[in-house]
Amino acid sequence: AQSVAQPEDQVNVAEGNPLTVKCTYSVSGNPYLFWYVQYPNRGLQFLLKYITGDNLVKGSYGFEAEFNKSQTSFHLKKPSALVSDSALYFCAVRDDSSYKLIFGSGTRLLVRP
Amino acid sequence: GAVVSQHPSWVICKSGTSVKIECRSLDFQATTMFWYRQFPKQSLMLMATSNEGSKATYEQGVEKDKFLINHASLTLSTLTVTSAHPEDSSFYICSARAGVVLAGSYEQYFGPGTRLTVT
Repeated sequence: AQSVAQPEDQVNVAEGNPLTVKCTYSVSGNPYLFWYVQYPNRGLQFLLKYITGDNLVKGSYGFEAEFNKSQTSFHLKKPSALVSDSALYFCAVRDDSSYKLIFGSGTRLLVRP
Repeated sequence: GAVVSQHPSWVICKSGTSVKIECRSLDFQATTMFWYRQFPKQSLMLMATSNEGSKATYEQGVEKDKFLINHASLTLSTLTVTSAHPEDSSFYICSARAGVVLAGSYEQYFGPGTRLTVT
């Protein structure tokens, strides 16, 4: 069965510092991995995805993620955090046959001024 | 492009009544729509998958008679919470998957969510 784990409930970082939000995955076939962001009382916004190709994926709002097959990880990163990046971040894996998305538990990112 | 809307954005209803939530794909045809439920400070839990013109497929533990899903057209799916109770209060989010490749992939596009409060 497909699954993703986000080991951190919350990540705190100062504005201007680099940030990392961790995600590890478990899949039976090729991984199709996604990152979404959710602001309060809003739906999910797509940030980036890994399907195949380069291990470093660049996405929206300056975010990027590194796919690491040996460590089964897909950590979200940004070189310089903004206060406006404070939100709830979800890692997800897509089931290849049904297109269902299986979400991690979410990580709350708090960027302090 | 690829915009999904939900209506209403929030609703308050009395216990025992039914409430309908609409999910529309505004600029593409969605062969598949997904309904999720999210409790406060928790992740999204998939409730059901609906394909246009056929019965929805419910995830284990989701009562199909309580959460009625209708995917009557390629741009509209509805979720009706029947005989609502306070424990049904939650944030309901839909997503839509295009029937053709958009922007290079068969992505899911999410609606803004509907907050249901049952009193």
